[in-house]
Amino acid sequence: QKEVEQNSGPLSVPEGAIASLNCTYSDRGSQSFFWYRQYSGKSPELIMFIYSNGDKEDGRFTAQLNKASQYVSLLIRDSQPSDSATYLCAVNNAGKSTFGDGTTLTVKP
Amino acid sequence: DAGVIQSPRHEVTEMGQEVTLRCKPISGHDYLFWYRQTMMRGLELLIYFNNNVPIDDSGMPEDRFSAKMPNASFSTLKIQPSEPRDSAVYFCASSLSDGGAHEQYFGPGTRLTVT
Repeated sequence: QKEVEQNSGPLSVPEGAIASLNCTYSDRGSQSFFWYRQYSGKSPELIMFIYSNGDKEDGRFTAQLNKASQYVSLLIRDSQPSDSATYLCAVNNAGKSTFGDGTTLTVKP
Repeated sequence: DAGVIQSPRHEVTEMGQEVTLRCKPISGHDYLFWYRQTMMRGLELLIYFNNNVPIDDSGMPEDRFSAKMPNASFSTLKIQPSEPRDSAVYFCASSLSDGGAHEQYFGPGTRLTVT
């Protein structure tokens, strides 16, 4: 079992829809959780982090964390074609982050 | 802030040659990470430093790989001798341990091709 697992994807949604990306992790000592966006040929770009149970909203993005279930999710509301990218989930324990393999999202106009 | 700086951006070399990748972290950051990304294996952590000291090098694939951080503003990843299977994108990232989330910021990467 991988330490961080994400939806295998690819995920395709129409423009304006909600995209839901999911991630589970195995290390119960994980303290902070991140979502990165990576466009093809570019480096990962941090879009959100969360470290308390519950929801955290930033514009069209909402991160959700449930430590009891070891589950993190990212919701993208009003999806735009520019959101088409690979989304990487990362979990951090004492400074070291472990990344999932990513979920590729395509938003169709 | 200039962000994490990596050089070169692209490197093409022949099998058996030595390759040196360079990284300048964000000023003030005390953690530095080297990752490798391939389609097959995703993003793999190779090694990371805290305050210039290597903390965990368990991801370094073999003795052909070595990394140094002589000061807070510079790190190198060296492959000697290089092999075709080392072809990948190598990312450097840095973060700050200020009691926060340890969010990492990535450099643009070095695309290495070994022929």
